[in-house]
Amino acid sequence: NAGVTQTPKFRVLKTGQSMTLLCAQDMNHEYMYWYRQDPGMGLRLIHYSVGEGTTAKGEVPDGYNVSRLKKQNFLLGLESAAPSQTSVYFCASRLAGANEQFFGPGTRLTVL
Amino acid sequence: EDKVVQSPLSLVVHEGDTVTLNCSYEVTNFRSLLWYKQEKKAPTFLFMLTSSGIEKKSGRLSSILDKKELSSILNITATQTGDSAIYLCAGAGGTSYGKLTFGQGTILTVHP
Repeated sequence: NAGVTQTPKFRVLKTGQSMTLLCAQDMNHEYMYWYRQDPGMGLRLIHYSVGEGTTAKGEVPDGYNVSRLKKQNFLLGLESAAPSQTSVYFCASRLAGANEQFFGPGTRLTVL
Repeated sequence: EDKVVQSPLSLVVHEGDTVTLNCSYEVTNFRSLLWYKQEKKAPTFLFMLTSSGIEKKSGRLSSILDKKELSSILNITATQTGDSAIYLCAGAGGTSYGKLTFGQGTILTVHP
């Protein structure tokens, strides 16, 4: 099992460009999450999904959109990137009824 | 609003020292507290603690939760350079989507 995988690992964007981050999990988990991690601020929840076809906003959703068309995939989109979105993005997944979340390796995004 | 605070924010020790990391939490409908270790990539799960107060141990690491003080400690004895990492704690509340509220993290550096 690969667990949780994320692509790409690194990306540099110019202000105003768009991109999509892909998260995939092979553990048949119902719940999936997107976080961003900034120095001194821990992990903050951007959006989450409780199942295929459903998404919801987390703590810091502005400037991001998500989709969960298949149970194993959770996509995070930036429509018009801003320097404030420079961060490390982590995807996580969880089995229903459990508390532990499993994390992907992260995507380091720089917006110039 | 849920809140998790970790201290210290950073710690530098020498191999063989014992360290104690602290985590305090204010989480609505608290269910459990989780500790993660983050090296260069994904946070990896260490322990999950509940209000039962049962100590968890794994090798040189141990952790316990004090439900009266709404806090938890993570102890690492006989530290090694491989223990250098960011240690994150997160509180799990009773939301329908399994929200985790993360602390800022403690950066532990172990020198030879």
